[in-house]
Amino acid sequence: EVQLVESGGGLEQPGRSLRLSCAASGFTFDDYAMHWVRQAPGKGLEWVSSITWNSGSIDYADSVKGRFTISRDNAKKSLYLQMKSLRAEDTALYYCAKSPYYDSSGGFDSWGQGTLVTVSS
Amino acid sequence: QLVLTQSPSASASLGASVKLTCTLSSGHSSYAIAWHQQQPEKGPRYLMTLNSDGSHSKGDGIPDRFSGSSSGAERYLTISSLQSEDEADYYCQTWGTGIVLFGGGTKLTVL
Repeated sequence: EVQLVESGGGLEQPGRSLRLSCAASGFTFDDYAMHWVRQAPGKGLEWVSSITWNSGSIDYADSVKGRFTISRDNAKKSLYLQMKSLRAEDTALYYCAKSPYYDSSGGFDSWGQGTLVTVSS
Repeated sequence: QLVLTQSPSASASLGASVKLTCTLSSGHSSYAIAWHQQQPEKGPRYLMTLNSDGSHSKGDGIPDRFSGSSSGAERYLTISSLQSEDEADYYCQTWGTGIVLFGGGTKLTVL
């Protein structure tokens, strides 16, 4: 069974940094692209970033480009999101999601339960 | 510009059927999409991937009550024999070069 478990969320001040992690199990992690998606309170889903199986291609939403960095460690079966220069509008539940393919096509076929990031002074 | 449009809300009675719509923007009618369900206070759940020809592949454990179809730029999710647990937000999603997009979601109320 595919399991994606996010961690690292919490309360942080504007301008500060935070690193999210996603631990994967139940599938061959290094065969698939992975993604981060966020959901602000009471709002819809917003794609944040994607990374291919070998980190060869990485994409970001315009709202986070230049501030967030996605990465993965295939040996540790883990996905990361380094978040810098945090803003109040980054407050959201952050989900880790798995692609059905090695690249970012095909949508997402598994989701984690999310980790909450709150940016406030 | 690639955009997905969904009606904000829909409702149907217990035991009935409902058809939710996701519309692709002009020039993107060949795109496949995915449907996801988000029950209250839960994370999203993948339902299916739906191609422009109407063929679809469902996620593990998704009941036969959930089906997909396509017509032009429209992508549909039909839920039959509605149950109370089907009350949820439903999101469509698509992808292109360097981008992933979600529709605004449809809140389904089961009466």
